[in-house]
Amino acid sequence: GENVEQHPSTLSVQEGDSAVIKCTYSDSASNYFPWYKQELGKRPQLIIDIRSNVGEKKDQRIAVTLNKTAKHFSLHITETQPEDSAVYFCAASGGSARQLTFGSGTQLTVLP
Amino acid sequence: DAGVIQSPRHEVTEMGQEVTLRCKPISGHDYLFWYRQTMMRGLELLIYFNNNVPIDDSGMPEDRFSAKMPNASFSTLKIQPSEPRDSAVYFCASSLVWNTEAFFGQGTRLTVV
Repeated sequence: GENVEQHPSTLSVQEGDSAVIKCTYSDSASNYFPWYKQELGKRPQLIIDIRSNVGEKKDQRIAVTLNKTAKHFSLHITETQPEDSAVYFCAASGGSARQLTFGSGTQLTVLP
Repeated sequence: DAGVIQSPRHEVTEMGQEVTLRCKPISGHDYLFWYRQTMMRGLELLIYFNNNVPIDDSGMPEDRFSAKMPNASFSTLKIQPSEPRDSAVYFCASSLVWNTEAFFGQGTRLTVV
């Protein structure tokens, strides 16, 4: 089955700086890569996703890049704000399994 | 649509008791997933259904766990007997088709004492 590894597990940045979270996946047939944000005590919610026919996708301050050859994808948040503080999960699906396989999560803290 | 609805939001039970968690997916969604979230193991998929049929239950920890989906608008996850190590947040999620966004419910925080 699919295995998704996520780094770093914790990340602290100053407000206004950029944050980058990286994930690798094992199943070369996976073709859907979403990112979820989970605030404390809340449910995970999709913030951006990318499919394998696209190398990069951007939505305001958030961008995701995908390198299919290397089997890794990254989340980039620019001009970070305190409200960006949360746990971020990457995920992959579309290969041998139809369900999302999640990474272990990154606790992002934006310091004012 | 009100989104994925789970009940109860919190459940505290004694070891050995039966626990039933409930989920109402978003209307029209063909896929329903049950996840368990703990600090140690993160988000683990327990089981998922497609058109009410269980497709993959390989994530169900052991025979104490069972899940059903009697119709398109309702699913249950049952633990019998419950144990302290079952304490976790259990999320239900649904998606319209496969390989698309999964919408999560608010979760059920289960504490087994």
